[in-house]
Amino acid sequence: KAGVTQTPRYLIKTRGQQVTLSCSPISGHRSVSWYQQTPGQGLQFLFEYFSETQRNKGNFPGRFSGRQFSNSRSEMNVSTLELGDSALYLCASSLGLAGGKGSRETQYFGPGTRLLVL
Amino acid sequence: AQSVTQLDSQVPVFEEAPVELRCNYSSSVSVYLFWYVQYPNQGLQLLLKYLSGSTLVKGINGFEAEFNKSQTSFHLRKPSVHISDTAEYFCAVTPASGGSYIPTFGRGTSLIVHP
Repeated sequence: KAGVTQTPRYLIKTRGQQVTLSCSPISGHRSVSWYQQTPGQGLQFLFEYFSETQRNKGNFPGRFSGRQFSNSRSEMNVSTLELGDSALYLCASSLGLAGGKGSRETQYFGPGTRLLVL
Repeated sequence: AQSVTQLDSQVPVFEEAPVELRCNYSSSVSVYLFWYVQYPNQGLQLLLKYLSGSTLVKGINGFEAEFNKSQTSFHLRKPSVHISDTAEYFCAVTPASGGSYIPTFGRGTSLIVHP
């Protein structure tokens, strides 16, 4: 079974531009979560989508948004890029909701998209 | 609010020696605990998780961790490390109550295994 795939793997943008990152989950997985990893802030949770609905959201400004399609594929968009948005963006998928009541589904991570904002 | 402290940013160790990576957390609610490993240029991989039950949790690749509620710790151990264990290790917590899933990660511990 193929793992989580993320495209593109590397991206260079300039300040003020917007960017869209894509994540294809493992076949059959319905939940997709996004994380940002930077040397300064470490690993931070962005949001989780399940059945095309955002179910959980971290503490990020509205410039960060996402969506999930009916085939569970997900995209993350960052508008008006800032230098501080340079990071490794990780996507993870799980069978069910990652944060279900009384349970924590195992998440499988993709290799990430490395975004550099100049 | 939750916080996670990984007490060592780097842990050098010789091959076949035991290792312990330390993790302490702070939370006003009950938590679930996780350890992840990240190899260079890859995403994270779950090593083990504690949800409930036995406080000694066994994971993949020979790792285990012990949940100590009184000391709010969840240290990761391996009795004999291999060169291939060289990687970054992250401890994480999520609230156990309700359906809210907002994980908080530690800053990571770089395990460096020398031959």
